[in-house]
Amino acid sequence: EAQVTQNPRYLITVTGKKLTVTCSQNMNHEYMSWYRQDPGLGLRQIYYSMNVEVTDKGDVPEGYKVSRKEKRNFPLILESPSPNQTSLYFCASSRDSQNQPQHFGDGTRLSIL
Amino acid sequence: GENVEQHPSTLSVQEGDSAVIKCTYSDSASNYFPWYKQELGKRPQLIIDIRSNVGEKKDQRIAVTLNKTAKHFSLHITETQPEDSAVYFCAALDKLIFGAGTRLAVHP
Repeated sequence: EAQVTQNPRYLITVTGKKLTVTCSQNMNHEYMSWYRQDPGLGLRQIYYSMNVEVTDKGDVPEGYKVSRKEKRNFPLILESPSPNQTSLYFCASSRDSQNQPQHFGDGTRLSIL
Repeated sequence: GENVEQHPSTLSVQEGDSAVIKCTYSDSASNYFPWYKQELGKRPQLIIDIRSNVGEKKDQRIAVTLNKTAKHFSLHITETQPEDSAVYFCAALDKLIFGAGTRLAVHP
């Protein structure tokens, strides 16, 4: 089954404790991205990647890092999480650009205390 | 930068009525306009999209119209059903920017 898999689905942690949210897709998609969803703000793009070893900032990249060492994986890294990063995070992928339907993962709800 | 405004933020209709959600965008270079539906606790899923060389697109009860001159596009849902209840997001690309969402409630 074609899918985008995120882990963990839920995480409660404390300020400053590094965490990684993994994202993996099995559709051989070149384009992957991360969004955060906050009430009243819709989906805001954090980072995106056009292909392996190619990443770029979205609209709200501060406090986040990503890597794209393999085509299928695109982890989101919070080196020193802060409470304002409490949010619902979605990973998405598409065939080769953002100009195509995005396939979203099930989301990761992060709470930073 | 690109800005996408979506209205209304909430919409309540009776089953069988039509629902219309409107979005405006600021970047005249935008060329792709998808609509996503997000049911409660679920992921966003694409329901329809339109490109800038097309003025209207239909898929069963769902249609999207695009007015490039006015820089706005709309989602039309006819004969609404309770399972249409969800949050709907529009987006505009050159750079993929989402609207804030519309919470649609369809009452039986």
